[in-house]
Amino acid sequence: QKEVEQDPGPLSVPEGAIVSLNCTYSNSAFQYFMWYRQYSRKGPELLMYTYSSGNKEDGRFTAQVDKSSKYISLFIRDSQPSDSATYLCAMTNNAGKSTFGDGTTLTVKP
Amino acid sequence: EAGVVQSPRYKIIEKKQPVAFWCNPISGHNTLYWYLQNLGQGPELLIRYENEEAVDDSQLPKDRFSAERLKGVDSTLKIQPAELGDSAVYLCASSSRTGEHNEQFFGPGTRLTVL
Repeated sequence: QKEVEQDPGPLSVPEGAIVSLNCTYSNSAFQYFMWYRQYSRKGPELLMYTYSSGNKEDGRFTAQVDKSSKYISLFIRDSQPSDSATYLCAMTNNAGKSTFGDGTTLTVKP
Repeated sequence: EAGVVQSPRYKIIEKKQPVAFWCNPISGHNTLYWYLQNLGQGPELLIRYENEEAVDDSQLPKDRFSAERLKGVDSTLKIQPAELGDSAVYLCASSSRTGEHNEQFFGPGTRLTVL
């Protein structure tokens, strides 16, 4: 079993929809929780990171961490066609090693 | 500010041939990572450098893979000999610190095809 499991998708939603992307993890040593966005034939780019349980909001994006359940989520409100990409969750332990999920591919249809 | 630069962007070789990838991190970033990304999967760490020291190479297949980061700036990842299963995207990333939240900035990757 992988340390980080991500809902595989793919997801296809209409423009304006609310999107929920989810990951679970098994390693309690993970300290930091991140979401990356990866466009086709590009490297991943950091969207958001969180440290503690709870919610963190940035514009249309909300990252949620529940350490007790070992579950993290990314919500996208008012989704746009430009949000179409692969979203990767990633988690880092206190030694600085990051483990990535396998990604969820999102398509937002105009 | 220039991002992480990788070259070549694409490489096609026959199996058993050697191949090398080059990475120039963001200026001032001490930490450099090489990842392998297979189609439909997330990046998997191959090696992490702090300056010129490899601090985590536990996932690097040392029988055929090697890496170096001379002078703590640019890095080269080499495969010799390449196998069919090495076909993947090789990503380089850099960050300014480690051991805590460290935003990793990724290059565009080198897409390797082994025939």
